[in-house]
Amino acid sequence: NAGVTQTPKFQVLKTGQSMTLQCAQDMNHEYMSWYRQDPGMGLRLIHYSVGAGITDQGEVPNGYNVSRSTTEDFPLRLLSAAPSQTSVYFCASSPSGALGWDTQYFGPGTRLTVL
Amino acid sequence: AQSVTQLDSQVPVFEEAPVELRCNYSSSVSVYLFWYVQYPNQGLQLLLKYLSGSTLVESINGFEAEFNKSQTSFHLRKPSVHISDTAEYFCAVSEGTGANNLFFGTGTRLTVIP
Repeated sequence: NAGVTQTPKFQVLKTGQSMTLQCAQDMNHEYMSWYRQDPGMGLRLIHYSVGAGITDQGEVPNGYNVSRSTTEDFPLRLLSAAPSQTSVYFCASSPSGALGWDTQYFGPGTRLTVL
Repeated sequence: AQSVTQLDSQVPVFEEAPVELRCNYSSSVSVYLFWYVQYPNQGLQLLLKYLSGSTLVESINGFEAEFNKSQTSFHLRKPSVHISDTAEYFCAVSEGTGANNLFFGTGTRLTVIP
C-alpha cells in the first residue's frame, strides 16, 4: 500500500494563478481532509469529506474548493492564489473519521509558495 | 471553545537525558487528547492518545503522557531520548469524536544532541 500520496511536493505560483493539489489514498478510507500548516501555528483544517460526494468546510475554508468524486481522491483547488496561501498543505485520511478508534494517516505534504 | 497551548517551541536535550514536552488545553467539556510526531520531510504520525480510563498512556517507542484534568494538561515525557527522537511534536485536542473537531497546538521541535 502506498498510503496517502500527495502531488506535487513543491509548487511556486504567482498571485492570481489557479492550481489543484492532488491527494490520493489506497486504503479505502471514507474520511479525508486537508490541513494547512503555518509557522507558529498548529495545523488548521481547511475542508473534509466523510465519503464520496460529501464535503464540508473546516476552520479555514476561504479561497479553497474541494470535491470528492471517488473514495480514493480528494483534490484541493486554489481558484486564485494569494500570498496568504503560502503554506505547507497536508492531506489525511482515516477509515471513518471517528477519533476514538480510527487513526488518521497523513501524507508527506505539499509546500506551496505564492509570490 | 477549545484551544491548545504548547509553550515550548524548541527543546534541545542531550542524548539519553529525560525530556518533557508541555501541553495545556482549554475546554469546558470532556476531551480526547493526542500527541502526533512529525519527522523531517514527513507527514504527521499518531504517537499516543487519551480517550478515557487510565490517565497514563504509553507509546510503543517509550514515550508516555499523563492526562491531568485539574491542571488541564497532557504533558509528553520520555526518560531517555535517542537521536532518532529528533522531530516536531504536536499536541491536539478534540471535544467530539469526529476528526473534523481536532485542534492542534503550535508544535514543539525536539532536538536531541549527541
